[in-house]
Amino acid sequence: QSALTQPASLSGSPGQSITISCTGTSSDVGAYNYVSWYQQHPGKAPKLMIYDVSNRPSGVSNRFSGSKSGNTASLTISGLQAEDEADYYCTSFTSSGTYVFGTGTQVTVL
Amino acid sequence: EVQLVQSGAEVKKPGESLKISCKGSGYSFTTYWIGWVRQMPGKGLEWMGIINPGDSDTRYSPSFQGQVTISADKSISTAHLQWISLKASDTAMYYCASAIGYRSAWSYWGQGTLVTVSS
Repeated sequence: QSALTQPASLSGSPGQSITISCTGTSSDVGAYNYVSWYQQHPGKAPKLMIYDVSNRPSGVSNRFSGSKSGNTASLTISGLQAEDEADYYCTSFTSSGTYVFGTGTQVTVL
Repeated sequence: EVQLVQSGAEVKKPGESLKISCKGSGYSFTTYWIGWVRQMPGKGLEWMGIINPGDSDTRYSPSFQGQVTISADKSISTAHLQWISLKASDTAMYYCASAIGYRSAWSYWGQGTLVTVSS
């Protein structure tokens, strides 16, 4: 069970959009619509941003959106703001009944 | 108010045993899965395993099978993560999380327990 693959880092200017990819296999991302995304600021616990591929929990900005195609899920942050600077992780349910995280992406707002 | 409150930081020596806890409140503890996540210093998140507190169905990620024990005591709404013999490489922050209100998303997180293993 290998970690899902994410880009190590991405950056963008305020107001721009960025998209973080999360590539797995047909045993995890490709098999289930149970992909969720988490934001983690330094020294803090992760926070749920997207669940079931494309749904936002109450209270999460609509600037965050998710999608999936085949074995790759994506998180898009639109209208980038300084407060979006954080680490982002995807996670997926797997065919073995457990979960696997992505490798994590550090987002920098220039 | 829904809360997951974890036990405090621990400093241990290699070879010692340890059990850390995660107490849930403000919701039906037996209804939602609880998971444990490791974050080594400066590194990413790793799933260790998950437990259904209602029936103690426990599933371990392959890397952690046989290395730790996950349990839950529903009488005190508390999940535990246990080591028999710690190693220096177990030094990390450990988070518990619960899929409260969701089928498969981790909506509430504990504040984390820092475990330091050093001789």
